Amino acid sequence: DAGVTQSPTHLIKTRGQQVTLRCSPISGHKSVSWYQQVLGQGPQFIFQYYEKEERGRGNFPDRFSARQFPNYSSELNVNALLLGDSALYLCASSLFSDSSYEQYFGPGTRLTVT
Amino acid sequence: AQKVTQAQTEISVVEKEDVTLDCVYETRDTTYYLFWYKQPPSGELVFLIRRNSFDEQNEISGRYSWNFQKSTSSFNFTITASQVVDSAVYFCALSEARTGNQFYFGTGTSLTVIP
Repeated sequence: DAGVTQSPTHLIKTRGQQVTLRCSPISGHKSVSWYQQVLGQGPQFIFQYYEKEERGRGNFPDRFSARQFPNYSSELNVNALLLGDSALYLCASSLFSDSSYEQYFGPGTRLTVT
Repeated sequence: AQKVTQAQTEISVVEKEDVTLDCVYETRDTTYYLFWYKQPPSGELVFLIRRNSFDEQNEISGRYSWNFQKSTSSFNFTITASQVVDSAVYFCALSEARTGNQFYFGTGTSLTVIP
């Protein structure tokens, strides 16, 4: 069975630009979460979506937005990119949105902002 | 406040040695879950184990074992007879019933196993 997939793998953008990252969850998983991992740190929670609804939001500015589609795939959008947005963006899926379910992570999208 | 603390930033051991990775957590919830993930150089986080707050039984899976102690808010991970393939960054994470599937990760411990 396919795991969580993310695209693109790598991305280089310029300050001020906008970026869209994509994620496809494991088949049958209805919850998708997004995390930002800065080099040398643990992943930081950005958003969780379940059944197309936002179920949680981390401490990130409004420049960050996301959505989930009827097929449970998801997009993360970041506007007005800053140098500090350079990071590995991880998508994770789980069966449901409950805290008891482990999350399965994709390989990530490495974003570099210059 | 940091909900998950992994005080060991980097650890190096010689192959076949045992190593314990420490994890201390903080929560006010009575229902919570603890996780360990492995992140090899490829970058993809690999799920290792989940424990719930009501089950303090230690768990062993092959060379891996986990010690959960609510009295000290710790969930430590031991690798027995370490191997080079164990070299990775290991993350401890916490989820709370009131915040659903939002994970709080520690800063990770980078383990290097020297052949």
